Amino acid sequence: DQQVKQNSPSLSVQEGRISILNCDYTNSMFDYFLWYKKYPAEGPTFLISISSIKDKNEDGRFTVFLNKSAKHLSLHIVPSQPGDSAVYFCAASGRAGSYQLTFGKGTKLSVIP
Amino acid sequence: SQTIHQWPATLVQPVGSPLSLECTVEGTSNPNLYWYRQAAGRGLQLLFYSIGIGQISSEVPQNLSASRPQDRQFILSSKKLLLSDSGFYLCAWSITGGGGEKLFFGSGTQLSVL
Repeated sequence: DQQVKQNSPSLSVQEGRISILNCDYTNSMFDYFLWYKKYPAEGPTFLISISSIKDKNEDGRFTVFLNKSAKHLSLHIVPSQPGDSAVYFCAASGRAGSYQLTFGKGTKLSVIP
Repeated sequence: SQTIHQWPATLVQPVGSPLSLECTVEGTSNPNLYWYRQAAGRGLQLLFYSIGIGQISSEVPQNLSASRPQDRQFILSSKKLLLSDSGFYLCAWSITGGGGEKLFFGSGTQLSVL
């Protein structure tokens, strides 16, 4: 049973345009969500997170939106740059003290110059 | 600042051989430590986590084991590797804040079992 789903395995976007990566979850106990970026043969790096008490968190070009009623979150990258090309993982966890992050399968973003 | 070291970067091992992957963290005390695996075409799967020396929790039954002999050292082992153990292994440490755990990953080990 996949509790965190990233239904788009890949996404291509023109440089300068907006990239929107989507993530759905099924476990209503999740209340903390994170996005990670991964280049080939490297470990994932933390991008941005959001707590369930918020519906939006912004950090530079990256914004994460959370829709709790729909159990859906999205990562917006504006403007997209070629260096953003990577695999993006959505992750979720329960309350603080829950040590397990549940990851989606990832979405490969290609930003075309 | 905190850093995490994981080695080796790549490893090719025959079926039935033993395995030892090591991970160390610098710049922090009593971190939570994790081993994840990414198999081909799949997401990141939590294998083990540890909240202190000698305290290991296993999330998935398998022929792998983990140990934490020192506060900032985490070791992943196997006595006999299987073909299905191939994958990209990631060590991570975490801090608690902002509502949940934030993980920081090492650079990973690509393990190929032949």
